[in-house]
Amino acid sequence: NAGVTQTPKFQVLKTGQSMTLQCAQDMNHEYMSWYRQDPGMGLRLIHYSVGAGITDQGEVPNGYNVSRSTTEDFPLRLLSAAPSQTSVYFCASISPGAGDSVLTFGAGSRLTVL
Amino acid sequence: GQQLNQSPQSMFIQEGEDVSMNCTSSSIFNTWLWYKQDPGEGPVLLIALYKAGELTSNGRLTAQFGITRKDSFLNISASIPSDVGIYFCAGQRVSGANNLFFGTGTRLTVIP
Repeated sequence: NAGVTQTPKFQVLKTGQSMTLQCAQDMNHEYMSWYRQDPGMGLRLIHYSVGAGITDQGEVPNGYNVSRSTTEDFPLRLLSAAPSQTSVYFCASISPGAGDSVLTFGAGSRLTVL
Repeated sequence: GQQLNQSPQSMFIQEGEDVSMNCTSSSIFNTWLWYKQDPGEGPVLLIALYKAGELTSNGRLTAQFGITRKDSFLNISASIPSDVGIYFCAGQRVSGANNLFFGTGTRLTVIP
């Protein structure tokens, strides 16, 4: 049981490049989500998914795409990176029965866009 | 989104001291939570509060759900070096994890 695994841990991109942040969990959690963390802003929800094949937008979805083809994986795609997307990204899931506010976070992916 | 204001933004304390921090909102919340983020890691849940006035402890940590439902408090007693990190409050007005909003964080430094 590895919990929530994020890769890569660090990434540097040039403006306009695309990339995918990977998130995987082996706990059979239905709910998965992506947050970004910026100084002085707390964590803000980008996209979330309540199960395979279902995704929805959070508070700050612009510039990001997601898909959920399996229960285990929830990748976050940046199609054309911008400096404003420099941030630390966290994937989080919820264990069934734990309450819908008890998130389990990955270790984070630090992205720098030049 | 909802604005949750945490204070103080940062704290420098001596090992063994007690710590108090709070989180306020202009909106009423039905659930308050406190998470801790260690350097280089993701946040981890410390305490969850589900009822106005509720006081809950987890070891040296005690958190309270404000009676107005617009604030919450976290106290750490007898701080130790491993208490270092960023403490986030989070509030939820309606059910659904997508309705969870996070505060701006309090960065705690403990001086041995």
